[in-house]
Amino acid sequence: NAGVMQNPRHLVRRRGQEARLRCSPMKGHSHVYWYRQLPEEGLKFMVYLQKENIIDESGMPKERFSAEFPKEGPSILRIQQVVRGDSAAYFCASSPPGTGLSHEQYFGPGTRLTVT
Amino acid sequence: QQQVKQSPQSLIVQKGGISIINCAYENTAFDYFPWYQQFPGKGPALLIAIRPDVSEKKEGRFTISFNKSAKQFSLHIMDSQPGDSATYFCAATHFGNEKLTFGTGTRLTIIP
Repeated sequence: NAGVMQNPRHLVRRRGQEARLRCSPMKGHSHVYWYRQLPEEGLKFMVYLQKENIIDESGMPKERFSAEFPKEGPSILRIQQVVRGDSAAYFCASSPPGTGLSHEQYFGPGTRLTVT
Repeated sequence: QQQVKQSPQSLIVQKGGISIINCAYENTAFDYFPWYQQFPGKGPALLIAIRPDVSEKKEGRFTISFNKSAKQFSLHIMDSQPGDSATYFCAATHFGNEKLTFGTGTRLTIIP
């Protein structure tokens, strides 16, 4: 059973460009979460999605950031007009459906975004 | 507002010793407390988790102790090995609010 997959693993963007980060959850998992980790810090929640629905986006910056989890295909975290402060590791996690089990979140290897 | 406080920031333990990492939380609605292990360049891996209806959970060399009245929980690694050297994060969440709130992490180094 493949784990959570993220690509690309490393992404370099110039200021003002767009960054697209992809996440494929574990097989059978229907819940996806995105977290951001700044150097030497813990992970900060960004957004929680289920298929075609954003459930909780309370951790998302109000501007430039968006996320989706379409019916088919991976979840996408999109950052428009990137700035140096967006440089971080972005982790996707997934969990199985069902009450209680959704707490068990399994993380992917992350995408390390560098903005130059 | 940091809802989960973790200490120490870094920890050095001799091989074979006991590593202890502590966390304290503020939100009394939290009802699930996992610990994650992260190696450099990798994603966090779920290590062990506990719910507040028990005071201790043990899996192999890893034990979580939970004190509901003090709103504290800790990770104990028995017989620590060099392969345990990693960053450990505690986290918390509660039913109906699926996002994990993480502590700031503890960098553990096991020396021979």
